[in-house]
Amino acid sequence: DQQVKQNSPSLSVQEGRISILNCDYTNSMFDYFLWYKKYPAEGPTFLISISSIKDKNEDGRFTVFLNKSAKHLSLHIVPSQPGDSAVYFCAASEVESGGSNYKLTFGKGTLLTVNP
Amino acid sequence: GAVVSQHPSRVICKSGTSVKIECRSLDFQATTMFWYRQFPKQSLMLMATSNEGSKATYEQGVEKDKFLINHASLTLSTLTVTSAHPEDSSFYICSALGDEQFFGPGTRLTVL
Repeated sequence: DQQVKQNSPSLSVQEGRISILNCDYTNSMFDYFLWYKKYPAEGPTFLISISSIKDKNEDGRFTVFLNKSAKHLSLHIVPSQPGDSAVYFCAASEVESGGSNYKLTFGKGTLLTVNP
Repeated sequence: GAVVSQHPSRVICKSGTSVKIECRSLDFQATTMFWYRQFPKQSLMLMATSNEGSKATYEQGVEKDKFLINHASLTLSTLTVTSAHPEDSSFYICSALGDEQFFGPGTRLTVL
């Protein structure tokens, strides 16, 4: 049973346009959500996070939106750049990183390709 | 961000041998480290949580006698795949818990 779902295995956008990556979850106990970016043969790199008490968090070109009632979050990248091409993983935890019993459940990832 | 290293980055071994993978947090102390594996086109699957000075906590379905974890210091955790078989071939990634979870670059294990 996959608790974090990224239903789009891939997404292709033009440079300068917006990239929207979606993520759904089923565990209502999840309270903290993160997005990671991963290049081939490398470990994931933390991008941005959001706590369930918020519905939006912005950091430069990256914005994460959380709709708790729909158990849905999305990552917006605007404007998209070719260097953003990577696999993006959505992850969730029942507690924030400083809490005990912290562990992440990952989605399968979405391969984003930004075309010049 | 914080730096986590893994060694080796790539290893090929014969079936039946044991392989040790090291995970180090280079610029911070981590009482908690995690070990994941990733199959192609699959998500990162948590294998175990490693706590310094105590036994690791394994996820359901992960054989603790096969995947030995040692977290002997605040900067080092090791994963030993014992009696490796071809089905153990995978990409193993560790992470260390600081302000956030920082990941190592991963180790590609191929068992012939």
